[in-house]
Amino acid sequence: EAGVVQSPRYKIIEKKQPVAFWCNPISGHNTLYWYRQNLGQGPELLIRYENEEAVDDSQLPKDRFSAERLKGVDSTLKIQPAELGDSAVYLCASSPGPSWGNEQFFGPGTRLTVL
Amino acid sequence: AQKITQTQPGMFVQEKEAVTLDCTYDTSDPSYGLFWYKQPSSGEMIFLIYQGSYDQQNATEGRYSLNFQKARKSANLVISASQLGDSAMYFCAMREGSYNQGGKLIFGQGTELSVKP
Repeated sequence: EAGVVQSPRYKIIEKKQPVAFWCNPISGHNTLYWYRQNLGQGPELLIRYENEEAVDDSQLPKDRFSAERLKGVDSTLKIQPAELGDSAVYLCASSPGPSWGNEQFFGPGTRLTVL
Repeated sequence: AQKITQTQPGMFVQEKEAVTLDCTYDTSDPSYGLFWYKQPSSGEMIFLIYQGSYDQQNATEGRYSLNFQKARKSANLVISASQLGDSAMYFCAMREGSYNQGGKLIFGQGTELSVKP
């Protein structure tokens, strides 16, 4: 069974440029999460989807970040424009459903460097 | 206040010995779940073990066990018979909320474990 797929694995851009990350969750997983992990810290949730609905985006900086999961499967996270402080690893995770006993399966992440 | 605290930034252990990674948490919610994840240098977060707040027994998964002390609000990870491949960052995480509410994982700062041959 394929795991969570993310692309690109690495991205280097200059500040003020736009960038987008793509995530394909494990087949059949209805819940999808985007986390940001700053260097030396644990991941922090940006947004959670149940199917195509964003049910928790309270920590998404909406002035520059946007996300979509149009068909309830894969998802895109966008930053426009990027700032130096956005340099981090962006992790996507999925789980079969919202039940809090379910583990979350993480992808390999996209390492973003903003110059 | 920190919801999840991991006080050991780095730990060393000799191969084949056991090691305990500390985690304390803070919540007023009676329903919560505690998780441990391993993050090797490749970056992927690997689920290790889960403990529910109402579980009576400590969780075990192979060489991993969770020493759950509810009154102390601690959820320490014990790795028995350490292997070189155990060298990685280890994160403790908590999910608050009732069953089926979902909810985000709140992660600690992590502990970097190095296993010496």
